[in-house]
Amino acid sequence: AAGVIQSPRHLIKEKRETATLKCYPIPRHDTVYWYQQGPGQDPQFLISFYEKMQSDKGSIPDRFSAQQFSDYHSELNMSSLELGDSALYFCASRGTRYNEQFFGPGTRLTVL
Amino acid sequence: AQKITQTQPGMFVQEKEAVTLDCTYDTSDPSYGLFWYKQPSSGEMIFLIYQGSYDQQNATEGRYSLNFQKARKSANLVISASQLGDSAMYFCAMREGEDSSYKLIFGSGTRLLVRP
Repeated sequence: AAGVIQSPRHLIKEKRETATLKCYPIPRHDTVYWYQQGPGQDPQFLISFYEKMQSDKGSIPDRFSAQQFSDYHSELNMSSLELGDSALYFCASRGTRYNEQFFGPGTRLTVL
Repeated sequence: AQKITQTQPGMFVQEKEAVTLDCTYDTSDPSYGLFWYKQPSSGEMIFLIYQGSYDQQNATEGRYSLNFQKARKSANLVISASQLGDSAMYFCAMREGEDSSYKLIFGSGTRLLVRP
């Protein structure tokens, strides 16, 4: 079965640089979520999109922005990167059985 | 206040035995859902089991079952016949309400180690 695809899987950036993370949800899933998981922490909700519109916003810094495109893929844009942005970034898409979320493999971002 | 509390930072279990991972939650919303996810050392988050607040029966999925005690606001995960591959971090999560968001709030996780 198709799963959520995230790219890149690993990303190394310098402070103050920008990064773009991409997410391709499971086919026919119309809702996408972004989470940030710092080292040894639980995932924290950043932002979500439903039918290409932002549906909810969590603890997402103003330096970050995201959007969902007409093919339902989503991109998380991160600017002026800081050391504290180093984390595992998950994208998830929502299933229809229990409204459960299926997570992608994550993008591990390291900011040097 | 913590919405999801997992009080066991780490647990050991002998292979082939059963283990219970604790989860308590806090919400005033009558409609909510509870999830358990497994995160192996490779990092991916794997959906295991779901319990809805209106479900009359405890959820089961293969070797996973959920001991749902609504009055006590607890949703403990029971893994039967533990296998070495069950060694991982386990997160309890909740979504509240019936809005279009359904974002998840996670607990701090329990690291399970299965001994051979």
